[in-house]
This record gives sequence, C-alpha cells and structure tokens, in this order.
Amino acid sequence: IVLTQSPLSLAVSLGQPASISCRSGQSLVHSDGNTYLSWFHQRPGQSPRRLIYMVSERDSGVPDRFSGSGSGTEFTLKISRVEAEDVGLYYCMQGTRWPPYTFGQGTKLEIK
Amino acid sequence: QLVESGGGLVQPGGSLRLSCAASGFTFDRYWMSWVRQAPGKGLEWVANIRQNGSDQYYVDSVKGRFTISRDNAMNLLYLQMNSLRVEDTAVYYCARVSFTSFNPWGQGTLVTVSS
Repeated sequence: IVLTQSPLSLAVSLGQPASISCRSGQSLVHSDGNTYLSWFHQRPGQSPRRLIYMVSERDSGVPDRFSGSGSGTEFTLKISRVEAEDVGLYYCMQGTRWPPYTFGQGTKLEIK
Repeated sequence: QLVESGGGLVQPGGSLRLSCAASGFTFDRYWMSWVRQAPGKGLEWVANIRQNGSDQYYVDSVKGRFTISRDNAMNLLYLQMNSLRVEDTAVYYCARVSFTSFNPWGQGTLVTVSS
C-alpha cells in the first residue's frame, strides 16, 4: 500500500497551526473494523517517536496539541500551535495490510 | 527501552549480526520488528517476528538474506544479515510492535556496506 504525504515540507511560525495530509492508495480499514494508521515524529539525529496510533489515539506523553483524524484513505495530522521542539520529520505509516508495513515519504517541518 | 548494537562497516557480500536488548517490559508478550533508514532517506520496515519466534516476515528486498530471531530468556532480538549489498547501508532500528505499529524505537545502529 502506497502512502502519499503532503506537503513534503512546510514552514510554520511559532504558535501557528500546522497540518499534514496522508493519502493511501487503498482503504486502511482492517477486517476487524479498526484502521491502523500511525504518525511518527523524528527530530534531527534522533530515532522516530510515535505520536498517534489507530488514526487518532495519542500516545502517552504526547502533548494534546497533536491530533490525528481521517478515515478510509485520507488522514491528517494537526498541530494546533507549533512549538520549537516540533521541528523535524513527520511520517505516516499503515499497519492494516502487512507485510509489508509501509511509510509515507516524510514531511519536513521547519520554523518560519 | 531498546538498545541496538552490532553495526559497523562491512564489505559487499559480507555478513553482520545486529542485536537489540530490551528492558522495561515483558519481552515475550510482544511482536518485535526491525526498521531501517538509509542516509537522508525515509523509513523502511525490514522484518517482524512473533512473540514465540514461530513466525517471521520480511520485506521482499531482504528475503533469503536476512534472518530475524529472538531469545526470550535473554530479552534479545537479532537480525542476521548475509550477502550484504551497498543498498543495505542504513541505520537499523529495533522496535516493539504495538497496535500494528511501532512503539518504542531504539536509538539505532549504523550499518555501512562499502568496499
């Protein structure tokens, strides 16, 4: 399953919102009724950290300014107010139809 | 916590075994994975292994060359990499599978395949 993220880069002023889209070539609804779409953040020089799983479930310790939404083939990660620590790469990933698990190309977030 | 080791420089056609030491959770209750990231590139899932080691899955590009395994008594995950190619150069991360996703990830170990 191919995941296409957009935009591939964005520059946002501190305190402003940001939104990243992830589109799947096939529906990500599993036969169990769940949708296994996750979002990860990777700061420069660090390993990825999961932010969101199952479309909209926030991982423990993830600030509530991060939210995930969507269904079927279209998904969105939103940051309500960008902070300096949010810079880096963001990846969506599907775990509905594996193998293989597949990731989007990544979106680079910078501060304007 | 997940801590990888075993990376390094190897010639094309060579072999390397990566290890991942797990702590802080009940290791034998979780599927485990390896994910890699080539320099300046995105993330690519490499392999998965079931809790008891009975099932393994691989991305097509490593099938027949890489073997994922685990030692539940020692809380260790392995990736045996044979017939290495230049295109296998990457940081290799181990990760715990959670809700058919990956969380947490280790810090990664760099594998460089070059003559």
